[in-house]
Amino acid sequence: QQQVKQSPQSLIVQKGGIPIINCAYENTAFDYFPWYQQFPGKGPALLIAIRPDVSEKKEGRFTISFNKSAKQFSLHIMDSQPGDSATYFCAASLTSGTYKYIFGTGTRLKVLA
Amino acid sequence: DAGVTQSPTHLIKTRGQHVTLRCSPISGHKSVSWYQQVLGQGPQFIFQYYEKEERGRGNFPDRFSARQFPNYSSELNVNALLLGDSALYLCASSYTGTVRQETQYFGPGTRLLVL
Repeated sequence: QQQVKQSPQSLIVQKGGIPIINCAYENTAFDYFPWYQQFPGKGPALLIAIRPDVSEKKEGRFTISFNKSAKQFSLHIMDSQPGDSATYFCAASLTSGTYKYIFGTGTRLKVLA
Repeated sequence: DAGVTQSPTHLIKTRGQHVTLRCSPISGHKSVSWYQQVLGQGPQFIFQYYEKEERGRGNFPDRFSARQFPNYSSELNVNALLLGDSALYLCASSYTGTVRQETQYFGPGTRLLVL
């Protein structure tokens, strides 16, 4: 119940394409779902986050879609650029007890020029 | 403003040794969390500290310990190192550590290699 399942493991798209990364969770107590971007040798950096009372959130070229009934959420990157090539992690947080993030296993994205 | 800083950036140890990793949170942040990221995996939660008190602990053995100082900086200690402890150790800071309201900001990590 503590897991967050992320897919695909890796993704290659052409410049301008719209890569989509999916995550699924089981614990309905999760109420905060951030996405992080990580470049090699760097720590994760927050991209965008959503709460389950919202079905979609956009920030720049990044959009999160959230399906509470299916317990799934996804990241869409519009007009992807080679500079978006990185590893992307979804995460979920618990509402009580330890204030920790549960991370997905990551998606390595490569955007071809 | 400086972000989260961690030291050292890289470290090589041998099995059985002890290691201390250090983290300074963003100015004004009072909570520090530690995560372990094994190559090819997502970060795994180790500890969270707020106002020098441990608020949470992940599923790690007692060889892992941490503390937070009055200036809110933190140390992660790992005793009796095993090969499997080789990983990137990430520190994240937030104002109060209440994830419901806040974002955790990650440092660049310390890359630990155990030989």
